[in-house]
Amino acid sequence: DTGVSQDPRHKITKRGQNVTFRCDPISEHNRLYWYRQTLGQGPEFLTYFQNEAQLEKSRLLSDRFSAERPKGSFSTLEIQRTEQGDSAMYLCASSLGFSGNTIYFGEGSWLTVV
Amino acid sequence: KNEVEQSPQNLTAQEGEFITINCSYSVGISALHWLQQHPGGGIVSLFMLSSGKKKHGRLIATINIQEKHSSLHITASHPRDSAVYICAAAWTGNQFYFGTGTSLTVIP
Repeated sequence: DTGVSQDPRHKITKRGQNVTFRCDPISEHNRLYWYRQTLGQGPEFLTYFQNEAQLEKSRLLSDRFSAERPKGSFSTLEIQRTEQGDSAMYLCASSLGFSGNTIYFGEGSWLTVV
Repeated sequence: KNEVEQSPQNLTAQEGEFITINCSYSVGISALHWLQQHPGGGIVSLFMLSSGKKKHGRLIATINIQEKHSSLHITASHPRDSAVYICAAAWTGNQFYFGTGTSLTVIP
């Protein structure tokens, strides 16, 4: 297994368009996290899944954001009607079990909304 | 409220210097993680601590549960250590809260 992978790595989109990011976690990891990071800041929590269940969502996750993990494996994060403020890096991470275990991050998906 | 604070925000050191980055958190945690982020985004987990001290090569991480404080030390720093170092606190059953990161530049 090569670790957590994210796709696409970079996305430039026009304001108002929808974008979707995909995350493939490490195969045996049951926990999957989505974070958003802007320049000079640490990652901010968006949401996380345990298997296919979405257990927690941040207030940062407005109605325009939706995340799924349909079969408990890969996950998608969709942003509808993108705004310039959505420009950020979207990080995916996975871990086995609860947050006391090592967490593995993907390389991130950079979004630029123009 | 769960908060994680790091200091300093930026750090410049000469090659060979001993470096310390600090992290404090507001309430008791189940684990604290130290992460390294290089330009371009990739994040690598360096340590996961729930008590005591861990060492890996030139990196040492310590945690004081009573004081709610952790430190990351780099001995004999090298330019390749230049990166952003982030601490992340985990509360049982929940997700991680991240510090804002410490940007380290090691000058040859």
